[in-house]
Amino acid sequence: EPEVTQTPSHQVTQMGQEVILRCVPISNHLYFYWYRQILGQKVEFLVSFYNNEISEKSEIFDDQFSVERPDGSNFTLKIRSTKLEDSAMYFCAGAGLAAYNEQFFGPGTRLTVL
Amino acid sequence: GIQVEQSPPDLILQEGANSTLRCNFSDSVNNLQWFHQNPWGQLINLFYIPSGTKQNGRLSATTVATERYSLLYISSSQTTDSGVYFCAVRFSGGGADGLTFGKGTHLIIQP
Repeated sequence: EPEVTQTPSHQVTQMGQEVILRCVPISNHLYFYWYRQILGQKVEFLVSFYNNEISEKSEIFDDQFSVERPDGSNFTLKIRSTKLEDSAMYFCAGAGLAAYNEQFFGPGTRLTVL
Repeated sequence: GIQVEQSPPDLILQEGANSTLRCNFSDSVNNLQWFHQNPWGQLINLFYIPSGTKQNGRLSATTVATERYSLLYISSSQTTDSGVYFCAVRFSGGGADGLTFGKGTHLIIQP
C-alpha cells in the first residue's frame, strides 16, 4: 500500500538557521498539505498546495515559511530563519482528486531548534 | 468561530472495557477523519467519515452531519489502543483547505 514518506525523521538545528523538510507524497495525489504539532498540543494546519501553487495558508505560515514541489515528486517546507518556537513535529499530508478527499499523513519530522 | 471540540479530554479504562469518544463541530463539513496518534507521534488514519457509519474490527464510527457530531467507539479495549485520538474536519463553507483538528482525547488502557 503506498504511503507518504518524510525525511529526516528528526532534525536538530540552531536558532537562525534554515531548514528544509522533505516529503514524498503518494504518487496519484493532487492536494498537498503541511501541518505542525507543538509538543502536547493539537495539530495545526499550515498550508495547502495544489496545481503547483499555494491554495490556502494559515496565520502561522508567515514569510519565514515557503513550500515548493520542485520535481513533481518531492514536496518541501523551508523555514528560512528558525526560532525556538518553531520546535514541533511537522507533518506532510496528501489527498486525491478532490480537496475534501481523505488526507493521508506522513510519519512526521520532529524539528528541535536550540 | 469555527471549532472542533472533543470529549472527554482524558479517559482511563481497564483492558476489555468499551469506550465512546465524541467530536462536536461548529459548522457543516465535507471531510471528517478520526486519527490515532501512537507513542511515536505518528497519525494513523482510523476513519474517513463525513457522514454515516463505518466499522473496522473493534472500532466503529458514526457521524451525524445534520447535528454536527461524530462518535468513535472502541470495544474490548487493548493496551495497544492507548494514545491520543484526534477528530479533524474540513469545513465546507469555504474556509481553510486544511483539516481543523480538535484537541484530542488521551486514552489510557490499563492491563
